[in-house]
Amino acid sequence: AQTVTQSQPEMSVQEAETVTLSCTYDTSESDYYLFWYKQPPSRQMILVIRQEAYKQQNATENRFSVNFQKAAKSFSLKISDSQLGDAAMYFCAYRGGETSGSRLTFGEGTQLTVNP
Amino acid sequence: KAGVTQTPRYLIKTRGQQVTLSCSPISGHRSVSWYQQTPGQGLQFLFEYFSETQRNKGNFPGRFSGRQFSNSRSEMNVSTLELGDSALYLCASSWGPPGVHSPLHFGNGTRLTVT
Repeated sequence: AQTVTQSQPEMSVQEAETVTLSCTYDTSESDYYLFWYKQPPSRQMILVIRQEAYKQQNATENRFSVNFQKAAKSFSLKISDSQLGDAAMYFCAYRGGETSGSRLTFGEGTQLTVNP
Repeated sequence: KAGVTQTPRYLIKTRGQQVTLSCSPISGHRSVSWYQQTPGQGLQFLFEYFSETQRNKGNFPGRFSGRQFSNSRSEMNVSTLELGDSALYLCASSWGPPGVHSPLHFGNGTRLTVT
């Protein structure tokens, strides 16, 4: 079974600075997707960024980028120029191959605080 | 385009009762999946439906069931509620034909409290 681990329950960052959230996963599959989701107090899970395992290039979405290390099974999220609105719970998630359908396996989450 | 709509937003039930939660996916989305979120267990997959058929099921007891209608709307039912069923229940929809990795879009969830 696949597992996702986020070893940082809480992180904090100063506004305008950069923070990196860590995630490791375990799988025996070769075809999979990795995601970072953000969950603000409104409770809605919002997709931040996604990475296809077959792509070597790290995904980037504006201020958000990932460092995908397939051999090490590591998938960290870097938030640049942090903003107050970035404060939320961040979840790393894994989605397997075709037989997994839309099933996501989530990590425990990292609560990010942004200090003004 | 309207997002994923979950009703009700809050629900309080008594142990032993049953409850039905509803999820309306984004228009055009045919896949709906359900997740339970608790402080202790985190986010756990319940089940997924596509075109009215259950495609995947998580490791939950038979008290948890679901269904999907022809308009893709989905309901999940929990019978004989236990205190441990208190959780945020999240629904997600995607375009999702089998074999296609389309992004999941989540609703705001239903907060169920069992007393």
